[in-house]
Amino acid sequence: QQQVKQSPQSLIVQKGGISIINCAYENTAFDYFPWYQQFPGKGPALLIAIRPDVSEKKEGRFTISFNKSAKQFSLHIMDSQPGDSATYFCAASNSGSRLTFGEGTQLTVNP
Amino acid sequence: GAGVSQSPSNKVTEKGKDVELRCDPISGHTALYWYRQSLGQGLEFLIYFQGNSAPDKSGLPSDRFSAERTGGSVSTLTIQRTQQEDSAVYLCASSLRLTGGNSPLHFGNGTRLTVT
Repeated sequence: QQQVKQSPQSLIVQKGGISIINCAYENTAFDYFPWYQQFPGKGPALLIAIRPDVSEKKEGRFTISFNKSAKQFSLHIMDSQPGDSATYFCAASNSGSRLTFGEGTQLTVNP
Repeated sequence: GAGVSQSPSNKVTEKGKDVELRCDPISGHTALYWYRQSLGQGLEFLIYFQGNSAPDKSGLPSDRFSAERTGGSVSTLTIQRTQQEDSAVYLCASSLRLTGGNSPLHFGNGTRLTVT
């Protein structure tokens, strides 16, 4: 019940396209859903996060869409750029618990 | 201010040797985590420390792995009698408190361990 399932495992997008990464969870007590971005040789870094009281959060080209009834959330990267090429991890937690991470998605944006 | 610092950045060791990996968390962060990331794989949780509470060791893969956190700050992950399957990047992270609220994890850049 603590698992967070992420898909796809890898994604190739053309420059200017939309990248979409999906995550699903089981634990209805989860109330915090961040996305982390990891470049090669670096540790993951927080990209954007959402709480279940809103259905969407946008920061620049990055948007989280949240569907509480379906227990799913997704990351959309608009106008994808080669510099967005990285590994993306979704995660979830609730008060008093540590983050549970998804398996990661390796995004490649071709020029 | 400084971020999470890990040392060494790279470590090559012979099978059977013991290794110590160090993590300096962000000052004031009460929670500290260790993760393992094999090549191209996800984040495997190993252990976390939260303040003065007993650490959650549920992710340690075997009794060859241990960790301690001294004075609520620096942490050391020790791997005894290393095996080739221990080769991975070991990531340390810290947060102001146990994540669940507005307390994101801050990761170091990891220690790449290679066991020959």
